[in-house]
Amino acid sequence: AQSVTQPDIHITVSEGASLELRCNYSYGATPYLFWYVQSPGQGLQLLLKYFSGDTLVQGIKGFEAEFKRSQSSFNLRKPSVHWSDAAEYFCAVGPTSQGNLIFGKGTKLSVKP
Amino acid sequence: ETGVTQSPTHLIKTRGQQVTLRCSSQSGHNTVSWYQQALGQGPQFIFQYYREEENGRGNFPPRFSGLQFPNYSSELNVNALELDDSALYLCASTQFGQGDYGYTFGSGTRLTVV
Repeated sequence: AQSVTQPDIHITVSEGASLELRCNYSYGATPYLFWYVQSPGQGLQLLLKYFSGDTLVQGIKGFEAEFKRSQSSFNLRKPSVHWSDAAEYFCAVGPTSQGNLIFGKGTKLSVKP
Repeated sequence: ETGVTQSPTHLIKTRGQQVTLRCSSQSGHNTVSWYQQALGQGPQFIFQYYREEENGRGNFPPRFSGLQFPNYSSELNVNALELDDSALYLCASTQFGQGDYGYTFGSGTRLTVV
């Protein structure tokens, strides 16, 4: 079955520290992978996406993610976190046969001053 | 280019009532998907519309229905509302056939059923 697992429900990091959010997926074919960010009460904003090619993908707001096929992972990283990065982050894989994305349950990021 | 817009932003309904949510797709996009996001959960796929027809559906009962119009905007209708229908409803659009599935999401409609 196709699925996405985000093992960390909540992560707290200090401002200026590095960040890595984990994402593991199960998908039969070559996946399209996405990271979205959601601020409280808001919709989803696309941070980055991977379809093919270079396995290290650069996104907006200084985020990057690395696709590792052997580990079925697509972890999100940022070298230095800012207070404004506090939000919920969702990893997604697709498309399914229905054409949709499958989302993980999300990781809530808190940033300490 | 305009993004995805949804209306209303919030609404409160009583159990058993019916509700209609609306979505305008991003300019140039011809496919609209709807997702339900319960509190503390990731978005769950409801259904997708392409060329005014439903071409994909998640595990939701028939009382969840929709429409897509010639201008690619869409509606989500929910009949016989239940308390568990309280959630953030997200609309997403993409250009089918473009090959990158770059879904753009709206800000959502927060539905509360009392």
